[in-house]
Amino acid sequence: KAGVTQTPRYLIKTRGQQVTLSCSPISGHRSVSWYQQTPGQGLQFLFEYFSETQRNKGNFPGRFSGRQFSNSRSEMNVSTLELGDSALYLCASSFRAGDNIQYFGAGTRLSVL
Amino acid sequence: DQQVKQNSPSLSVQEGRISILNCDYTNSMFDYFLWYKKYPAEGPTFLISISSIKDKNEDGRFTVFLNKSAKHLSLHIVPSQPGDSAVYFCAASAGGGSNYKLTFGKGTLLTVNP
Repeated sequence: KAGVTQTPRYLIKTRGQQVTLSCSPISGHRSVSWYQQTPGQGLQFLFEYFSETQRNKGNFPGRFSGRQFSNSRSEMNVSTLELGDSALYLCASSFRAGDNIQYFGAGTRLSVL
Repeated sequence: DQQVKQNSPSLSVQEGRISILNCDYTNSMFDYFLWYKKYPAEGPTFLISISSIKDKNEDGRFTVFLNKSAKHLSLHIVPSQPGDSAVYFCAASAGGGSNYKLTFGKGTLLTVNP
């Protein structure tokens, strides 16, 4: 079956703009988590959604937000982009909320100029 | 505060030899540990995991050891193959519930030389 799909794969934006990233989980998976990966920082947890509800949120400013739709697809939005937001944004899905083993997409590479 | 630490940014080994990747953690509430492997331009893929009630878990060439008293875990790859060259991330979680999340280390780049 198809894996986790993230679109777009690459994005270039300028400071102050906003951006929306999309994630389609594996069919049947209802939990979606988002992570930010920057050089030297590993993967940092942004938030997790399950059944259209945000269950947990990482230590990121309110400019980072997300949502989940009834078909489990998820979007994350970053408003008022800053240079430091340049990163690889990874989405992961799992069948249930809190599942330890998560399945990752290839990510969206965001560059903020 | 980095709760999961991978102190070696990189490791280079010869094909056929053992690769040992290390990970330390500070949060005593962590009760489940995982290793993920990441190739360039791909997302991380789950490799192997261990619960805090065990001290060893083996899957083929991959073995994870957990030393709870030292808050240390390690991943052994024997024998190492060139296809194992990737970034390896250690991750940990603490129970379930609404505060559940995976906490990752910064990763170790493993290079296996033919």
